[in-house]
Amino acid sequence: GAVVSQHPSRVICKSGTSVKIECRSLDFQATTMFWYRQFPKQSLMLMATSNEGSKATYEQGVEKDKFLINHASLTLSTLTVTSAHPEDSSFYICSARKGRGTDTQYFGPGTRLTVL
Amino acid sequence: TQLLEQSPQFLSIQEGENLTVYCNSSSVFSSLQWYRQEPGEGPVLLVTVVTGGEVKKLKRLTFQFGDARKDSSLHITAAQPGDTGLYLCAGFYGNNRLAFGKGNQVVVIP
Repeated sequence: GAVVSQHPSRVICKSGTSVKIECRSLDFQATTMFWYRQFPKQSLMLMATSNEGSKATYEQGVEKDKFLINHASLTLSTLTVTSAHPEDSSFYICSARKGRGTDTQYFGPGTRLTVL
Repeated sequence: TQLLEQSPQFLSIQEGENLTVYCNSSSVFSSLQWYRQEPGEGPVLLVTVVTGGEVKKLKRLTFQFGDARKDSSLHITAAQPGDTGLYLCAGFYGNNRLAFGKGNQVVVIP
């Protein structure tokens, strides 16, 4: 199977600080990685699509200067939440896709962010 | 705009009973996927349905794709406590992005 990991699994930070979340594909190369956010009792909402070596494509309403995405290699993408506020507290989930189009996305275990 | 509506949002049943949950949309999808998500974890893919009218079985789980490819159902036969979880349906839309429904929270009571 294809395994995707996220680090950290949980993070608590103070308002105004920045937090970096890593997403790694452990046993395959991911041409594309996706970042989702899930609020309690809500569905996963796509935040951005990240292609290795190019700028991320953000969904409408997602601030690219607040949620910085870097996809520096075929196995690693990072999401940095800058100047975090309590309303950024959420469950952040990444997924990785081997190929293109509607190929299967493999999801990471998620990162619980709490901003105090 | 929620592309995919799932119903019921919450369902609690006794072990051994059958249940069906639904995923509906006004849009046509080339394919729909069903995932199961445990608390504090990422979703795990259960099945992908591609052809209108298609039925796929995964042990006691039966998935059906509507003829018009706008809806899907998940039927669980003789539910077990291990079936407890959040069942999410998802469909591909513009530029191969996945849209998720809010999910069907299923609780199977021993």
